[in-house]
Amino acid sequence: DARVTQTPRDKVTEMGQEVTMRCQPILGHNTVFWYRQTMMQGLELLAYFRNRAPLDDSGMPKDRFSAEMPDATLATLKIQPSEPRDSAVYFCASGLGTSGNEQFFGPGTRLTVL
Amino acid sequence: ILNVEQSPQSLHVQEGDSTNFTCSFPSSNFYALHWYRWETAKSPEALFVMTLNGDEKKKGRISATLNTKEGYSYLYIKGSQPEDSATYLCALPRSNDYKLSFGAGTTVTVRA
Repeated sequence: DARVTQTPRDKVTEMGQEVTMRCQPILGHNTVFWYRQTMMQGLELLAYFRNRAPLDDSGMPKDRFSAEMPDATLATLKIQPSEPRDSAVYFCASGLGTSGNEQFFGPGTRLTVL
Repeated sequence: ILNVEQSPQSLHVQEGDSTNFTCSFPSSNFYALHWYRWETAKSPEALFVMTLNGDEKKKGRISATLNTKEGYSYLYIKGSQPEDSATYLCALPRSNDYKLSFGAGTTVTVRA
């Protein structure tokens, strides 16, 4: 049963520290998304990649957030330095790259920045 | 960003009763409509992807219809069960590039 995996599942850190979240998309999926769940915004798209190339990261605060896909099996989302307002659940999702295909979500990383 | 509206924001339904709720969207430049179920403390899970006007899809007791000309989709739950309690999200791509705009969701609570 193919699934998107994310690590860590929970992360508590102090303000100013670097945070790296990792995602392994489903094998064969060519599109990867990073979302953030917040009370105010609901499910908010941060960035997405197709065939490892970044297509859109307009939803991401550029000064502190960065997203990469070093290879087809790994996507990373990094926050440096972290701030309390970054506390949220971060989801990774993958899919087959067209609007008619569903997205498969990982279990999420719950980030708490103190 | 596409304006995707869902109503009602929340609803309570008695176990065994049926219910339905709405997703509204701009009818121009339609590509697809996604329905996701999001249970508390879990991640969103796809229910349906609908692409054609008049589409009807069904998965167990849950079904959905699509009207692209008037810009709405209905999700129906027949004979609600406690395990149907979740937030149901509607999402549409702004173009054919797979980037989804999500509605705020309808939170369904099924009372035993």
